[in-house]
Amino acid sequence: RKEVEQDPGPFNVPEGATVAFNCTYSNSASQSFFWYRQDCRKEPKLLMSVYSSGNEDGRFTAQLNRASQYISLLIRDSKLSDSATYLCVVNKAAGNKLTFGGGTRVLVKP
Amino acid sequence: EAGVTQFPSHSVIEKGQTVTLRCDPISGHDNLYWYRRVMGKEIKFLLHFVKESKQDESGMPNNRFLAERTGGTYSTLKVQPAELEDSGVYFCASSQFISGQGAVHEQYFGPGTRLTVT
Repeated sequence: RKEVEQDPGPFNVPEGATVAFNCTYSNSASQSFFWYRQDCRKEPKLLMSVYSSGNEDGRFTAQLNRASQYISLLIRDSKLSDSATYLCVVNKAAGNKLTFGGGTRVLVKP
Repeated sequence: EAGVTQFPSHSVIEKGQTVTLRCDPISGHDNLYWYRRVMGKEIKFLLHFVKESKQDESGMPNNRFLAERTGGTYSTLKVQPAELEDSGVYFCASSQFISGQGAVHEQYFGPGTRLTVT
């Protein structure tokens, strides 16, 4: 079983719609959680950290459910520029290495 | 502020040859990481430097891979001899050590080096 599991998609989303997707992680000792965005043939870029209380950054909302060990990302009012692969990333308590999911591909269409 | 830079952006070598990848972290970042993505797989951790010291090299695939960070600035990752399965994208990332915040540091990635071994 992978440490971080994501639905690979693609999620085909009409422009202006809302899309949400989750990832699950297996290590209950994980301490930090992030969503990274990766465009085709580019490096991952930090989208947002995910906090226990949930957090929002503009059109993006992230939630963490420690009991069920999943993290969610919701994108409201989708833009064409939101088309990308969204990587769920966790950080274990010991050390700083990041553990990545395989990514969820989102395609926003006009 | 300049981001993480990597050189070269692409490298095509034959099996058995040697390749050296370079990473320049964001200025002032003590933490430097190497990751790799092979075709069809998720990005995986290779190793972590704190300044010039190897903090964690648990992800290094085998002894054909050698990473250095002399002087605690830029880092190199050498693959010798390269094998077909080493093909992939090698990412470098850096983060700033912030005292009192434990092990939670946001990591910033470089553009990667795309390595093709033929």
